[in-house]
Amino acid sequence: EVVMTQSPVTLSLSPGERATLSCRASQGITNCLAWHQQKPGQAPRLLIYGASTRATGVPARFSGSGSGTDFTLTISSLQSEDFAVYYCQQYNDWPPSYTFGQGTKLEIK
Amino acid sequence: EVQLVQSGAEVKKPGESLRISCKGSGYSFASYWIGWVRQMPEKGLEWMGIIYPDDSDTRYSPSFEGQVTISADRSISTTYLQWRSLKASDTAVYFCVRLFEGGWLQPFHYWGQGTLVTVSS
Repeated sequence: EVVMTQSPVTLSLSPGERATLSCRASQGITNCLAWHQQKPGQAPRLLIYGASTRATGVPARFSGSGSGTDFTLTISSLQSEDFAVYYCQQYNDWPPSYTFGQGTKLEIK
Repeated sequence: EVQLVQSGAEVKKPGESLRISCKGSGYSFASYWIGWVRQMPEKGLEWMGIIYPDDSDTRYSPSFEGQVTISADRSISTTYLQWRSLKASDTAVYFCVRLFEGGWLQPFHYWGQGTLVTVSS
């Protein structure tokens, strides 16, 4: 099964700053990579799929990039509502598997 | 509007059985894979398995194979996650989630609100 590794575990930034979150797959997954945002006490929310396509209603300050094994989620200018935990998820394995990274907690500095 | 509505919180004792549910609406229920995801207290997301309600084709994560049963009743647009004998380590929030589009090679998209299962003697 593909193993997903996210870095850093915690990222401390201030509103207005740029955030860069990384995700690495243990084997190539082409562009079958999604990013989810989870706030405390809430269900996760899909932000990005296909490595770089924003889901409906996701602000343009969120962008995704990468292919193969290395992926990045960038938030161009942090808003207060962006402080949350972010998970990457692969969906390219066979038999079907949907493994998540361990998460990156984006916290206010 | 696509919605997944899960059953309410449960408190159970070790060894008891349990079935929780997830009802879909706002789309053709039988035509989209639905998954289940575990989140243990203060931990990350773990996918457990997926089911295609049209024919109940089910695939499990190796970590959960034999530990839980996923099923579906397309006549009432509902999927289920079931345990035969709960353990304290099953304490977690469980989410159901619909895949993005038809086919299994899709990301998780629409999430249920989560069901908290607490197992304690």
